[in-house]
Amino acid sequence: GAVVSQHPSWVICKSGTSVKIECRSLDFQATTMFWYRQFPKQSLMLMATSNEGSKATYEQGVEKDKFLINHASLTLSTLTVTSAHPEDSSFYICSAPGTGHYEQYFGPGTRLTVT
Amino acid sequence: DAKTTQPPSMDCAEGRAANLPCNHSTISGNEYVYWYRQIHSQGPQYIIHGLKNNETNEMASLIITEDRKSSTLILPHATLRDTAVYYCIARSLVQSSASKIIFGSGTRLSIRP
Repeated sequence: GAVVSQHPSWVICKSGTSVKIECRSLDFQATTMFWYRQFPKQSLMLMATSNEGSKATYEQGVEKDKFLINHASLTLSTLTVTSAHPEDSSFYICSAPGTGHYEQYFGPGTRLTVT
Repeated sequence: DAKTTQPPSMDCAEGRAANLPCNHSTISGNEYVYWYRQIHSQGPQYIIHGLKNNETNEMASLIITEDRKSSTLILPHATLRDTAVYYCIARSLVQSSASKIIFGSGTRLSIRP
């Protein structure tokens, strides 16, 4: 099946710094990608829809100026957590719909720890 | 997308069939039933989906009731590697071929040796 990768798999940063997370579709093109956040023992929460060549669509309650999304190519979307704080520590997961439109392929996730 | 209801947790003995129920009483005619699972600290993995007929693949079987108000995911011979959170999702493909997935709380399945 199709593969979605994320980089880095884990990152530790200091409070106040910014962190960029990459999401790549390795063997297919994705005009749309989705970003999720997951806190321990909770379900995945959709943060935003990343659209190639246009602005991302954010879910209610997600600060677009804090979570910057760029979808510059058909295989890459990036999520930048700006001025990170300890409460931003979480597991961030991206996904992309497959060409068959029936499935979505999820990345392995990025664990962010802000100290 | 229709709301789905799943038990928060279940357990099953290794080697036995694991039957995970899901209620979706408000499902509409164009909504598929999807199952994903998430093993600890990994991204979700697609398992199976169906509209109204029962479906089977190499991972699992999906049994959908005739009125489509509920379904059951069956893992025929559960192994320790099947320990995960299982999500049942009702999703329409008519709205958009790239429609977002909204996850519920899922069922935490524990397989005991």
